[in-house]
Amino acid sequence: GEDVEQSLFLSVREGDSSVINCTYTDSSSTYLYWYKQEPGAGLQLLTYIFSNMDMKQDQRLTVLLNKKDKHLSLRIADTQTGDSAIYFCAATSNAGKSTFGDGTTLTVKP
Amino acid sequence: DGGITQSPKYLFRKEGQNVTLSCEQNLNHDAMYWYRQDPGQGLRLIYYSQIVNDFQKGDIAEGYSVSREKKESFPLTVTSAQKNPTAFYLCASSTGTSGAKFFGPGTRLTVL
Repeated sequence: GEDVEQSLFLSVREGDSSVINCTYTDSSSTYLYWYKQEPGAGLQLLTYIFSNMDMKQDQRLTVLLNKKDKHLSLRIADTQTGDSAIYFCAATSNAGKSTFGDGTTLTVKP
Repeated sequence: DGGITQSPKYLFRKEGQNVTLSCEQNLNHDAMYWYRQDPGQGLRLIYYSQIVNDFQKGDIAEGYSVSREKKESFPLTVTSAQKNPTAFYLCASSTGTSGAKFFGPGTRLTVL
């Protein structure tokens, strides 16, 4: 089955850019999502990209997709302390099966 | 306001008891899901439902049961057969199974 991998931790300084990486194994994954989870809360959809796209930008968020390498990244520009959270990558196939990574904990230092 | 709600936020259970977690959505979504989240881990799918009166087992369905009698509601029962039920439970919904999922705030279940 699909496997989605993320690095577990990332620490940046306030104002810097953060880049969170994700790799997946199923080349038929059509929909790729990024979610944010704050402590004790549910997941909040941040952004998404379809497999026929290379890049998507939404305000401070930029998603890059390298379909050949099955690599997805989320860049957060001008990272703020409020961006500290766990970020999950999720890959969904056409059949609707979703697989989540284990999450990357982003810590933003003032 | 459209959204997805879960109740209660915290739930304590004695060993051997069944408990039911509530999930309600007013987003008019067809698909609903239950996930379990353990510390430092990703989400594992327990059950999902694509339409009313139909549901399928996910990856870790043993010890859990669900019903989908109404489009808006997808309650999860954690039975005494679930050996390690202490976890954070998340309900989600989507327009279709490939669509983006909208999550509820979660229920933290602790077995005493």
